[in-house]
This record gives sequence, structure tokens and C-alpha cells, in this order.
Amino acid sequence: SAVISQKPSRDICQRGTSLTIQCQVDSQVTMMFWYRQQPGQSLTLIATANQGSEATYESGFVIDKFPISRPNLTFSTLTVSNMSPEDSSIYLCSVLGHTTNEKLFFGSGTQLSVL
Amino acid sequence: AQSVTQLGSHVSVSEGALVLLRCNYSSSVPPYLFWYVQYPNQGLQLLLKYTTGATLVKGINGFEAEFKKSETSFHLTKPSAHMSDAAEYFCAVSEDNFNKFYFGSGTKLNVKP
Repeated sequence: SAVISQKPSRDICQRGTSLTIQCQVDSQVTMMFWYRQQPGQSLTLIATANQGSEATYESGFVIDKFPISRPNLTFSTLTVSNMSPEDSSIYLCSVLGHTTNEKLFFGSGTQLSVL
Repeated sequence: AQSVTQLGSHVSVSEGALVLLRCNYSSSVPPYLFWYVQYPNQGLQLLLKYTTGATLVKGINGFEAEFKKSETSFHLTKPSAHMSDAAEYFCAVSEDNFNKFYFGSGTKLNVKP
């Protein structure tokens, strides 16, 4: 299994500012994913972060808005830039299990509110 | 891309009653199917999964799901609900050798005493 620590757990931010979310895994993993969970909607994949290469973004998400770092195999950050109220959501970090890559493990999420 | 539809954003059952949470998917290839559960203030946890083999899969806490290819469904059931089952449940499908997962919009299960 993989234990994921994500912080902050929640934050309230002002419009136009940026927030960086950190994700720490207790073991080395190849692939890390960032999801957004909006009320009443599906978990939506923002991007896949692989160590040593640029993140791969899904349709509708761009690097300027959601820059991602992946400096090593246990850590990643997601920044939500120039925030607006529409960015209010829960942001989730997840990883594939390294013993069986059929299973996703999730952090407890960051609940972001933008005023 | 694949898609997942969960019918019913909220389901309410009495304690001891049958739990049935519906999930339908669209896929042009044999899918890998998952149910995740999210308890309040916690991350998502895998409940059960179907990859190959037996179409009826059993998961934790007495839950099970059956893959029905002809109906493109993967409904989650539990014979007798417990208060501790109150949570949000997400159905997911994977493609591309597990490099991508697509999730349904979730179903919140409420269990009444």
C-alpha cells in the first residue's frame, strides 16, 4: 500500500492569489496524478506527473494555470494560480500502487475555497 | 475516452436493507472497473475491482459487484446495510494500461436507523 500525506487539508484564499498543494508519498512511485473533485461532479483528472519529465495535462487544463512539480519519486506539488471562485473545489493527489498498478491510492484532499 | 454514469447522486436505505448503487460505463475495449468509497474527511479507498476472470467480485465490508458486459454495468450491492456504510461511493473505469482512471460523479449513501 501507499500512504499519501497531502497539505494543506483546507484553505480559504483571495481571488487572484495562488496556492501550492503538497503531496508526499511514503514510498517511491512512478506515476502521480492530480484530480479535482467538484460537488456533484466526477473526479476529474487534471494532470499526470512523472518524475524527470513535464506533467501531462488533460483537456481543459493548462500548465500556466496549474503548474506541477515532481522533483523526486515521493513528492509532487500542484499550484492553483491566479485563483477565481470557480477554482473552489477539492484537489486530490493519487498514485498507482507500486506492487500492483491496478490500484489507485488517494490523499485525503485539499479543500479550497476562493473568495 | 471512456465515461462512467452513476444513477442517483443520493441513495437512502434503512439499516439492514439491501444496498444497490448503479454504475454504467461506456467503453470500446474490455474495461477495468472499480468501486471506491470515501468516508467523511478521508481519502478515497478501493472497495473492489474487476480486471479479468470471474464477473462477480467481492470487496471489503461485505460489498460485491457484478460485471455485466451485455448491460455495460457494474452495480455495487450489499445484502444488509450497516450504519457505518454511510459514505460516498465512486465507480471508475480504467484504460491505457491503468495510466488513466475515469470516475463517475459519485453516490452518497445514507443509512437510516
